[in-house]
Amino acid sequence: SYELTQPPSVSVSPGQTARITCSGDALPKRFAYWYQQKSGQAPVLVIYEDTRRPSDIPERFSGSSSGTMATLTINGAQVEDEADYYCYSADSSAYYSVFGGGTKLTVL
Amino acid sequence: QITLKESGPTLVKPTQTLTLTCSFSGFSLSTGSVGVGWIRQPPGKALEWLGVIYWNNDKRYRPSLNSRLTVTRGTSNNQVVLTMTNMDPVDTATYYCVHTIGGTGGYIDYWGQGTLVTVSS
Repeated sequence: SYELTQPPSVSVSPGQTARITCSGDALPKRFAYWYQQKSGQAPVLVIYEDTRRPSDIPERFSGSSSGTMATLTINGAQVEDEADYYCYSADSSAYYSVFGGGTKLTVL
Repeated sequence: QITLKESGPTLVKPTQTLTLTCSFSGFSLSTGSVGVGWIRQPPGKALEWLGVIYWNNDKRYRPSLNSRLTVTRGTSNNQVVLTMTNMDPVDTATYYCVHTIGGTGGYIDYWGQGTLVTVSS
């Protein structure tokens, strides 16, 4: 079955740039989406269709995708950005969807 | 304003069947490209996509759980039901109902609050 692969953890100091990657064989054909999940809360969409940002998400969040890898970038990461981040996409035939294994972002 | 809320048992025994209901408002499941899906998250673990029903009654399931899962419209126009058979302790998780947009290959834009289901004898 289809899988998306993320690093388990990323750590940055406040104000630095955090980059979280997501690799998957179908990403050249399928959009990547990114969700932020803070402890005890439901996930929130932060990036959709590879690069688009919902209106209520801070501008420091951006997304990109090239080949089999999508990347979530947080420019000037803040302490409040500490959370688990999940990429999400569909298999090559868009039959079903999957989440990556999640990346724990630490900002301290 | 789109809202979704899950309801059902918080405790089920091994081998039993889980039935969860998603009650939603603020949209119609008859609107093109809309879907209602189910996601779960075991304690301390990653999100797991389970399945979805689309506006045109197309249904998709996680391949590894395909034989155990059913997603159907409920008795009311604003309900969707998840049925999972032969429950096991590894199925202990928070189960989320979600609103999807964009049809197959689309994405989740709204989440319910989630409901914790524990599988234990």
